[in-house]
Amino acid sequence: AQTVTQSQPEMSVQEAETVTLSCTYDTSESDYYLFWYKQPPSRQMILVIRQEAYKQQNATENRFSVNFQKAAKSFSLKISDSQLGDAAMYFCAYRGNNNDMRFGAGTRLTVKP
Amino acid sequence: EAQVTQNPRYLITVTGKKLTVTCSQNMNHEYMSWYRQDPGLGLRQIYYSMNVEVTDKGDVPEGYKVSRKEKRNFPLILESPSPNQTSLYFCASSPLLAGFMATQYFGPGTRLTVL
Repeated sequence: AQTVTQSQPEMSVQEAETVTLSCTYDTSESDYYLFWYKQPPSRQMILVIRQEAYKQQNATENRFSVNFQKAAKSFSLKISDSQLGDAAMYFCAYRGNNNDMRFGAGTRLTVKP
Repeated sequence: EAQVTQNPRYLITVTGKKLTVTCSQNMNHEYMSWYRQDPGLGLRQIYYSMNVEVTDKGDVPEGYKVSRKEKRNFPLILESPSPNQTSLYFCASSPLLAGFMATQYFGPGTRLTVL
């Protein structure tokens, strides 16, 4: 079965600086989707960015970008110009060919003013 | 407003008392799913449904039942809740693109405590 690993339980970043959250996954499938979700203290799950495995170009959404390394099965999230509102739990997720979903354990990001 | 709604938002119950958590979406999405979130474990998929009358087990289906009789509704049923089912539950829905789920819209969550 596919697994998703987030090796950083907690990270912190200074406001306006850049931070990178790590995610690795294990799969034997060739086509899949990867996601990063943000969960602020309100508990709402918010989609940050997604990447289709067949696309080599890394996805970008404003200050958020990913570094997708398919061969290494790595999918890191870079947040540029960090803002106080970026403070949250971040979950990496994998969608398999059967439309099943797996999430990592999460990384809690703190933003220091 | 496009949304996924869950009810109730908070529930405290006792072991063995059957309960249902409702989930409804107004976006005509084919795909719906239930997750539970526990500290240190992230979200784990309980069941998902690709369309009416089609359901599949996720990673942690034991102790749960679901049904998909209507496209908009996907209730989660705990027939005999136990304390290890105390958790935060999320429902989500998604359109299917060429048969695949490409994004998800999450409900606000249901905090369940089983005593």
